[in-house]
Amino acid sequence: GENVEQHPSTLSVQEGDSAVIKCTYSDSASNYFPWYKQELGKRPQLIIDIRSNVGEKKDQRIAVTLNKTAKHFSLHITETQPEDSAVYFCAADPGGTSYGKLTFGQGTILTVHP
Amino acid sequence: GAGVSQTPSNKVTEKGKYVELRCDPISGHTALYWYRQSLGQGPEFLIYFQGTGAADDSGLPNDRFFAVRPEGSVSTLKIQRTERGDSAVYLCASSPGGRGANVLTFGAGSRLTVL
Repeated sequence: GENVEQHPSTLSVQEGDSAVIKCTYSDSASNYFPWYKQELGKRPQLIIDIRSNVGEKKDQRIAVTLNKTAKHFSLHITETQPEDSAVYFCAADPGGTSYGKLTFGQGTILTVHP
Repeated sequence: GAGVSQTPSNKVTEKGKYVELRCDPISGHTALYWYRQSLGQGPEFLIYFQGTGAADDSGLPNDRFFAVRPEGSVSTLKIQRTERGDSAVYLCASSPGGRGANVLTFGAGSRLTVL
């Protein structure tokens, strides 16, 4: 089955700095890669996603890049703000007959210091 | 509804008891998923429904776990003879199916504590 590794496990930055979180996956059939933000005690919320036919996607301060050859994808947050502090999870979806059967990474605790 | 609704939000039970957790997906979403999230971990897939049928139940850890979705909307996750290791947050998610099939919206979860 799919295996997703996420690094770093914790990340501390100053407000205004950039933050980068990296994930690798094992199943070359995976074709959809979402990123979720989860605040303490809250639901995971989709913040950005990318499909395998695209190399990069941006949404305001957030961007995701995908390297299918190397089987890794990354989340980039620019101009970080204290409200960006949360746990971020990457995930991979192998598609096929089980859409939405996501394999998640272990999570990155991002702390943005004012 | 406007979002995915899960009840109860918290459930404390004793080892060996039976538990039911309910999920009400976004109206019109045909696909429904159950995940389990242990403390400090990412969510782990349990089961996926497309309509009324379980399309993939490969994530259910053993036969004490069972889920139903009899009318293709609300789903119930049932856990028999609960064990302390079942303690976790059980997350439900739904998606519209079709091209957006894997764009999941999660509920807030049901936190299960087995004493």
